[in-house]
Amino acid sequence: GENVEQHPSTLSVQEGDSAVIKCTYSDSASNYFPWYKQELGKGPQLIIDIRSNVGEKKDQRIAVTLNKTAKHFSLHITETQPEDSAVYFCAASWGSSNTGKLIFGQGTTLQVKP
Amino acid sequence: KAGVTQTPRYLIKTRGQQVTLSCSPISGHRSVSWYQQTPGQGLQFLFEYFSETQRNKGNFPGRFSGRQFSNSRSEMNVSTLELGDSALYLCASSLGWLETQYFGPGTRLLVL
Repeated sequence: GENVEQHPSTLSVQEGDSAVIKCTYSDSASNYFPWYKQELGKGPQLIIDIRSNVGEKKDQRIAVTLNKTAKHFSLHITETQPEDSAVYFCAASWGSSNTGKLIFGQGTTLQVKP
Repeated sequence: KAGVTQTPRYLIKTRGQQVTLSCSPISGHRSVSWYQQTPGQGLQFLFEYFSETQRNKGNFPGRFSGRQFSNSRSEMNVSTLELGDSALYLCASSLGWLETQYFGPGTRLLVL
């Protein structure tokens, strides 16, 4: 079935610490995995994505790792700042056909305490 | 480049009414996807259009429909509104398959 599990649902860290959010997916045909950040009153904003031919991708303080065999991928945020506080969603592309359908995880509310 | 725009931003309707939401994609993007976001169900895929053709549809009743115009603008319609249709409706546009989807700010629909 179509399913993306995301953990934890809430995460509280001290400013400067690292935060890790993990997702597992069920569709073995998934080959595109974006991460979105959503702030209150706004639409989701892409922060990083990874494709199945890559195991790890980094962009400044943000990194994503992908393990296709285990069907899981993770978001790592280092040196967290208060402005990182938001809801984070992982997603996985659905199926191998020519469609842009994304299956989203339930979201992680990240709180960074100053 | 202007981002994805959605109109209206807020709507209040009563049960049984119908509603039409509009989405203007980023210039040059031919794919438009719609999602429903609720606290209980999270972000759920409604449908996707590419070059005026519906490519995929989520598990929603037939009351939910959409279309795309030749300029890639898209509309979604919900008929016979139910209380459970209260949600944030998000539109996302992209260049095509497996390309980055950019979301608009959403239309918040409240059904009374």
